[in-house]
Amino acid sequence: EPEVTQTPSHQVTQMGQEVILRCVPISNHLYFYWYRQILGQKVEFLVSFYNNEISEKSEIFDDQFSVERPDGSNFTLKIRSTKLEDSAMYFCASSLPDGLVAEQYFGPGTRLTVT
Amino acid sequence: GQQVMQIPQYQHVQEGEDFTTYCNSSTTLSNIQWYKQRPGGHPVFLIQLVKSGEVKKQKRLTFQFGEAKKNSSLHITATQTTDVGTYFCAGKVAYNTDKLIFGTGTRLQVFP
Repeated sequence: EPEVTQTPSHQVTQMGQEVILRCVPISNHLYFYWYRQILGQKVEFLVSFYNNEISEKSEIFDDQFSVERPDGSNFTLKIRSTKLEDSAMYFCASSLPDGLVAEQYFGPGTRLTVT
Repeated sequence: GQQVMQIPQYQHVQEGEDFTTYCNSSTTLSNIQWYKQRPGGHPVFLIQLVKSGEVKKQKRLTFQFGEAKKNSSLHITATQTTDVGTYFCAGKVAYNTDKLIFGTGTRLQVFP
């Protein structure tokens, strides 16, 4: 069964450093998402991406964050200058072309630890 | 802003007992989805409800969407140890939005 993959599984970085989290969505999906989950808390929407541009973003997704689809398979989340409060699990998700009423397939996540 | 609350926050049950989690939104939802997250895992889609008053069943799981499309529930009959995890509802406030707003989650623990 096709699945969303994410690398790395765990990233440790120092405050102020840039990190790039990578995702490979399911191949025929056209909608892509990033979510974060602080340990023990709910899943929070960060951004959605369709047709090579951001379609929607939350208030969490400030100027420190950016997303990119550099080629036909990868979808990346960049945090420009990490803060301690960016420590969380980051999930990538994708969905089929009918993204308005469709299930989202989540990847296994990248645990980001900012020290 | 938009909030989706779930109760209870935690539920411990004996295997074989029933379990229900309730989801309440501060605003009307266009649709609601339910996800299960096993400990240390990622959210896995269970079901989607779209119509007011809709009821769907998946084996021992029964999902309901309220008439006002502001609340939903998930009921598990005769829980098993494999049901352990956190159950999240997640809704969209409009049909033309991508933003899925997750509820606060209910963590279910099942004792054998």
